Amino acid sequence: AQSVTQLGSHVSVSEGALVLLRCNYSSSVPPYLFWYVQYPNQGLQLLLKYTSAATLVKGINGFEAEFKKSETSFHLTKPSAHMSDAAEYFCAVSSVSGNTGKLIFGQGTTLQVKP
Amino acid sequence: NAGVTQTPKFRVLKTGQSMTLLCAQDMNHEYMYWYRQDPGMGLRLIHYSVGEGTTAKGEVPDGYNVSRLKKQNFLLGLESAAPSQTSVYFCASSSAGPLGAEQYFGPGTRLTVT
Repeated sequence: AQSVTQLGSHVSVSEGALVLLRCNYSSSVPPYLFWYVQYPNQGLQLLLKYTSAATLVKGINGFEAEFKKSETSFHLTKPSAHMSDAAEYFCAVSSVSGNTGKLIFGQGTTLQVKP
Repeated sequence: NAGVTQTPKFRVLKTGQSMTLLCAQDMNHEYMYWYRQDPGMGLRLIHYSVGEGTTAKGEVPDGYNVSRLKKQNFLLGLESAAPSQTSVYFCASSSAGPLGAEQYFGPGTRLTVT
């Protein structure tokens, strides 16, 4: 069965520091992977997605993620955190059970950015 | 182009009351989904639909029903609300294209059952 594990429910960084949010997946077939961001009291919006075209994926707002098959990981990074990056981040994998477009989400990681 | 909209934004129910949440999308998407979000549990799929007139159960369907009479709308019903259904509910939609299509989310409905 497919699953997603996000390591660390809360991550705190200083403004200007590196952001690293960890995501590991389990999938028996090559996965499609996503990172979504949720700002307070809003819905989720797509940051970036991996669909096998390139292992390093660039997204919006300076975020990027690298797909590492050997480590079954898809960690999200940003070189320099900004106060506006404070939000909850979700990693997700596309379900391969039938063509339904279903996503399986991780538990989420709350990013706190300190001034 | 409004994307995905949800009605209402907030609602308070008493135990045993019923209500319907409405989701509408204007992107001509085939697939639609209802999730609930609870602290520390991420998003859990309640029901989904792969086309007009079709519905299917997700991970946590008990206590909920859905209908997709029109392609652009997906309704979520609670027949007899329980405090355990206090949550934030999100609707999403996606195209029926190749695997890897992203889901587009609505702004959410915050439901409290007392």
